[in-house]
Amino acid sequence: QEKVQQSPESLIVPEGAMVSLNCSFSDSASQSIWWYQQHPGKGPKALISIFSNGNKKEGRLTVYLNRASLHVSLHIKDSQPSDSAVYLCAVSNTGANTGKLTFGHGTILRVHP
Amino acid sequence: EAAVTQSPRNKVAVTGGKVTLSCNQTNNHNNMYWYRQDTGHGLRLIHYSYGAGSTEKGDIPDGYKASRPSQENFSLILELATPSQTSVYFCASGDWGEGTQYFGPGTRLLVL
Repeated sequence: QEKVQQSPESLIVPEGAMVSLNCSFSDSASQSIWWYQQHPGKGPKALISIFSNGNKKEGRLTVYLNRASLHVSLHIKDSQPSDSAVYLCAVSNTGANTGKLTFGHGTILRVHP
Repeated sequence: EAAVTQSPRNKVAVTGGKVTLSCNQTNNHNNMYWYRQDTGHGLRLIHYSYGAGSTEKGDIPDGYKASRPSQENFSLILELATPSQTSVYFCASGDWGEGTQYFGPGTRLLVL
């Protein structure tokens, strides 16, 4: 079964800082990797996904995928207090396109003004 | 944006009682999912469905049943609730090609 590990467990940064979140996964044949954001008392919301090796940029978000090292990272530029949330890494399972995701435990991010 | 609603939002149940959690999506997605979220375990998949009439076991199905009577509705059933099933439950919907899952707001269940 796919295992997804995230680090750090929590992170506190000042407003405007660059934030870097890490995720490692166990199955090299995993398909796509997603990052979700979850605010307290809410359901997770998809932020960005990546399938191919390399990087992908959307607004203040950049994600890097290295399949050889089974590692993906999310970088948030110019962080804002509204970015304070739990960030979940999710990996789609191999085989048929079941749409199933395996989630990591998350990184708690707090951006202070 | 995709809309997924859950009811009830909060539920207190007694041990041994039957609990039904409901989920509705208005996006015409084929796939629907039930997760539970607990501190130290993250989000874990309980059951999922590919369409009306289908249900599949996820990673932690024991003690739970699921029902998908229509494209829009997906229920999670706890026939004999236990305190270990105290958790926050999330429903999600998604489709084959896109892969993104859209989550509801969650149901907080307390089993006494």
